[in-house]
Amino acid sequence: NAGVTQTPKFQVLKTGQSMTLQCAQDMNHEYMSWYRQDPGMGLRLIHYSVGAGITDQGEVPNGYNVSRSTTEDFPLRLLSAAPSQTSVYFCASGRLGLATNYGYTFGSGTRLTVV
Amino acid sequence: QQQVKQSPQSLIVQKGGISIINCAYENTAFDYFPWYQQFPGKGPALLIAIRPDVSEKKEGRFTISFNKSAKQFSLHIMDSQPGDSATYFCAASIGQGGSEKLVFGKGTKLTVNP
Repeated sequence: NAGVTQTPKFQVLKTGQSMTLQCAQDMNHEYMSWYRQDPGMGLRLIHYSVGAGITDQGEVPNGYNVSRSTTEDFPLRLLSAAPSQTSVYFCASGRLGLATNYGYTFGSGTRLTVV
Repeated sequence: QQQVKQSPQSLIVQKGGISIINCAYENTAFDYFPWYQQFPGKGPALLIAIRPDVSEKKEGRFTISFNKSAKQFSLHIMDSQPGDSATYFCAASIGQGGSEKLVFGKGTKLTVNP
């Protein structure tokens, strides 16, 4: 049982490049989400999904796309990277309706630097 | 607009002391208030959580106190240990109806000196 797996752990991009941050969970969680963590800003929700084929925006969705074709995977796409997207990105998953009892399971993060 | 305000930003406590972190919220529809603990290089992990129908919840050395009328809640760490040194985040959400949008405070970096 691997939990939530994020890849890559580190990435350096040039401005304007695109990339996909991968997130996979093996706990059959319906809910998955992406957060970004910046110094002094806490964790801010980017996008989330309550099941395959269903996604919605969080607090800071601009510049990011997501899709949920399977229960297990929830990739985050940066179409044209900007320096403002330099951050640590966390994927989290949980049981819908039960996440409030058991909390979310977070991955170990992807540290992204855009130069 | 910050929905959950957390203070202090950083906290230094001696071993054996009590660590207190405070949070305040505005949205009265919030009905779930968790605290997450994050160690360097790791993702956050659920520490303890409370619903607004109780005023206090205790798990070991960790206690949440909740004041619904003041829209405030706090985390108390009794007998603080160096291993408690981490960043703590309070959060809030409207947990019913399948919309599990968890909103986090900005975090408190706790350092427990030996």
